[in-house]
Amino acid sequence: ETGVTQTPRHLVMGMTNKKSLKCEQHLGHNAMYWYKQSAKKPLELMFVYNFKEQTENNSVPSRFSPECPNSSHLFLHLHTLQPEDSALYLCASSQAGARANTGELFFGEGSRLTVL
Amino acid sequence: DQQVKQNSPSLSVQEGRISILNCDYTNSMFDYFLWYKKYPAEGPTFLISISSIKDKNEDGRFTVFLNKSAKHLSLHIVPSQPGDSAVYFCAASGRSNYQLIWGAGTKLIIKP
Repeated sequence: ETGVTQTPRHLVMGMTNKKSLKCEQHLGHNAMYWYKQSAKKPLELMFVYNFKEQTENNSVPSRFSPECPNSSHLFLHLHTLQPEDSALYLCASSQAGARANTGELFFGEGSRLTVL
Repeated sequence: DQQVKQNSPSLSVQEGRISILNCDYTNSMFDYFLWYKKYPAEGPTFLISISSIKDKNEDGRFTVFLNKSAKHLSLHIVPSQPGDSAVYFCAASGRSNYQLIWGAGTKLIIKP
């Protein structure tokens, strides 16, 4: 139990569906992240939110749309995805602040997404 | 072009022996390095870190060594235990960009 909860744990969707991934942290952190992990590849940072404001968008396609309504919750809205988007999507949180962002990240268990 | 490389996709070690996981980086601006451990169906968890002002950091059975001239770091686990079987990720960051840059991971298997 890391204090970061992701739902759903598994999601199968068609290319025309719209779905959302949810992340919630109970650690009092004020920075939240979305990462993508594809098999045998490095973790890819997608989005960073500091104090609810998006501070990083790593050239992620617009079919992925993040939302951060407060410091404890983070969503990733998905629409018209492609089969190559199938991956493990990991949410993480940490204390915000320039140097703190390089420190410990606390990850959720991930949402395994399969796009048919 | 990967800035952080873990060239061994997997490593098998006998229980009780030393496990050595390696990581190479190309960006000389990196000044902070971390190791994370990941079990199947779980997210990565922080294991140990090292700043570039040091060449060694130890925490129990885990020691990270940093060789800045070679742009190389390694994680030593002594003695290796069955619960150490996991995927280990190396990550790095630099002053100009506080994002973590990750390696692809090494799967460590501890044999009984």
